[in-house]
Amino acid sequence: AQTVTQSQPEMSVQEAETVTLSCTYDTSESDYYLFWYKQPPSRQMILVIRQEAYKQQNATENRFSVNFQKAAKSFSLKISDSQLGDAAMYFCAYRRNNNDMRFGAGTRLTVKP
Amino acid sequence: DTGVSQNPRHKITKRGQNVTFRCDPISEHNRLYWYRQTLGQGPEFLTYFQNEAQLEKSRLLSDRFSAERPKGSFSTLEIQRTEQGDSAMYLCASSHGQAPANEKLFFGSGTQLSVL
Repeated sequence: AQTVTQSQPEMSVQEAETVTLSCTYDTSESDYYLFWYKQPPSRQMILVIRQEAYKQQNATENRFSVNFQKAAKSFSLKISDSQLGDAAMYFCAYRRNNNDMRFGAGTRLTVKP
Repeated sequence: DTGVSQNPRHKITKRGQNVTFRCDPISEHNRLYWYRQTLGQGPEFLTYFQNEAQLEKSRLLSDRFSAERPKGSFSTLEIQRTEQGDSAMYLCASSHGQAPANEKLFFGSGTQLSVL
């Protein structure tokens, strides 16, 4: 079974600084997709960034980028120039060619002004 | 486009009662998903629909749970004979369904269920 582990229940970062959130996953598949979702206090999950496992190039979306290490089954999220609005729960998720998206337990990010 | 809408936002019920939640997906999204999220955990997949057809159900979905999407638009999730362990956030998400594996899911704000 595929599992997703986020080892950092909480993280904090100073505004304008950079923070990295960790995620590891377990799978025997070679073709799959990885995601980071953000859940602010409003509770609505929002897609931050996604990565296809067959792509070697790390995905980037503005201030958000990932470090995808397929062999190590690691998928960390880097947030640059952190903003107050980045404060939220961040969930790493794994999905293969089916419809069952598996989420990690989440990391609560606090941004200090 | 008002996004995915879920009602009610909060529901408090007594153990043994039945509850029903509603999800209105983004129009023209043919896929609709239900997830459950307990405190301190990520969402867990419950079931999903392709148009009106329920194509997959998690083993988490006991026989007390039933979901419908009768006309391929809105969906309802009913829990019969609620138990305290059913207390959770129930999230709905929708998507176009054109690229199932890497597609973006659009989530609603969830229905928070508390069973007393």
